[in-house]
Amino acid sequence: GDSVTQTEGLVTLTEGLPVMLNCTYQTAYSTFLFWYVQHLNEAPKLLLKSSTDNKRTEHQGFHATLHKSSSSFHLQKSSAQLSDSALYYCALSGNYAQGLTFGLGTRVSVFP
Amino acid sequence: NAGVIQTPRHKVTGKGQEATLWCEPISGHSAVFWYRQTIVQGLEFLTYFRNQAPIDDSGMPKERFSAQMPNQSHSTLKIQSTQPQDSAVYLCASSPPGGVNQDTQYFGPGTRLLVL
Repeated sequence: GDSVTQTEGLVTLTEGLPVMLNCTYQTAYSTFLFWYVQHLNEAPKLLLKSSTDNKRTEHQGFHATLHKSSSSFHLQKSSAQLSDSALYYCALSGNYAQGLTFGLGTRVSVFP
Repeated sequence: NAGVIQTPRHKVTGKGQEATLWCEPISGHSAVFWYRQTIVQGLEFLTYFRNQAPIDDSGMPKERFSAQMPNQSHSTLKIQSTQPQDSAVYLCASSPPGGVNQDTQYFGPGTRLLVL
């Protein structure tokens, strides 16, 4: 079945530094990849999505590029802000409007 | 737009009791999804409906868990004979029928279930 791997459980960094969260996946089907962000006591919200190979997608200062050759969809930001402290989930769908397969999540803590 | 509404927000039950969780999707959305969130397992897909019809329940525990969508404005997740391992946050999400966001799921705030 489908699977998503996020290698970092916790990332701590100082405000202003770059951040990269790793996401790799396995699937036998067409690929829709997502990053969801969940702030404390809030619902997960879509941050980025892509189904196009080698195309960079950006939103709210974050960016990611789907690389089907390496089955990766890493999330990056050039300068972390305090408000970026949250739980980040990478997720996979074999088609639109299907149940998502999530990674275990990466908690990001940004300090002044 | 009120977003996805889930009630109750918190529920405490005793072991062996039944728990019913409610979800009201965003008006006009055609797909409704249920997920379970725990610290150990993260977010796990349970089941989903499209146009009120059950499409995929591959993530549902085969015993004690059931879900229904009797009309387009609400879905329920029922857990019979609750066990302590059922303690989790249960999230509902909905997605629109078409357009550029048809693959985007909009999540509700969740119901935190605690089984004592």
